[in-house]
Amino acid sequence: DTGVSQDPRHKITKRGQNVTFRCDPISEHNRLYWYRQTLGQGPEFLTYFQNEAQLEKSRLLSDRFSAERPKGSFSTLEIQRTEQGDSAMYLCASSLAGTYGYTFGSGTRLTVV
Amino acid sequence: DQQVKQNSPSLSVQEGRISILNCDYTNSMFDYFLWYKKYPAEGPTFLISISSIKDKNEDGRFTVFLNKSAKHLSLHIVPSQPGDSAVYFCAVRGGSNYKLTFGKGTLLTVNP
Repeated sequence: DTGVSQDPRHKITKRGQNVTFRCDPISEHNRLYWYRQTLGQGPEFLTYFQNEAQLEKSRLLSDRFSAERPKGSFSTLEIQRTEQGDSAMYLCASSLAGTYGYTFGSGTRLTVV
Repeated sequence: DQQVKQNSPSLSVQEGRISILNCDYTNSMFDYFLWYKKYPAEGPTFLISISSIKDKNEDGRFTVFLNKSAKHLSLHIVPSQPGDSAVYFCAVRGGSNYKLTFGKGTLLTVNP
């Protein structure tokens, strides 16, 4: 297993455009998380899936953000009508239910110009 | 309202010496504590953890200490190596069985 994969690694987009990121978790992990990290801050929780069910969304996740995990495998995070304030590193992580730590992917660096 | 505070944005130590990174938390209901290390352009990597029922956990050069009465967590690295230079995040779990809350991180620089 190659760990948690995220694609793309970098994305530059113009304000107002839509972007979609993909995360492939470790195959046997049933939990998947999205976090966002901005400069000088630690990762902040965005949303969580157990299998295909999205069980929690942070209030940081405005209605321009949507995440899916069809069939409980890979996940996508879409941001509509991007704003400059969306510029950040978007981190995906996965874990097994009953374990404490996550395995993070390398992240997608989004720059909105 | 920051629930997890890492008050030192940066720390510089000489190779071979001890590095001590500190973390304070506010909620006594937190039950599991973790340290992650992050290199530039990579995701955080799990380093070491401790349950609230313990006060110390060791893994090679890394030791985590938990002082529940002070709501304080520390990571000791002995001896420090240049490859340890990275940002270290403290993270806590509580109130749910999945969500982690992270501090802002401390940039450790180990000088040869």
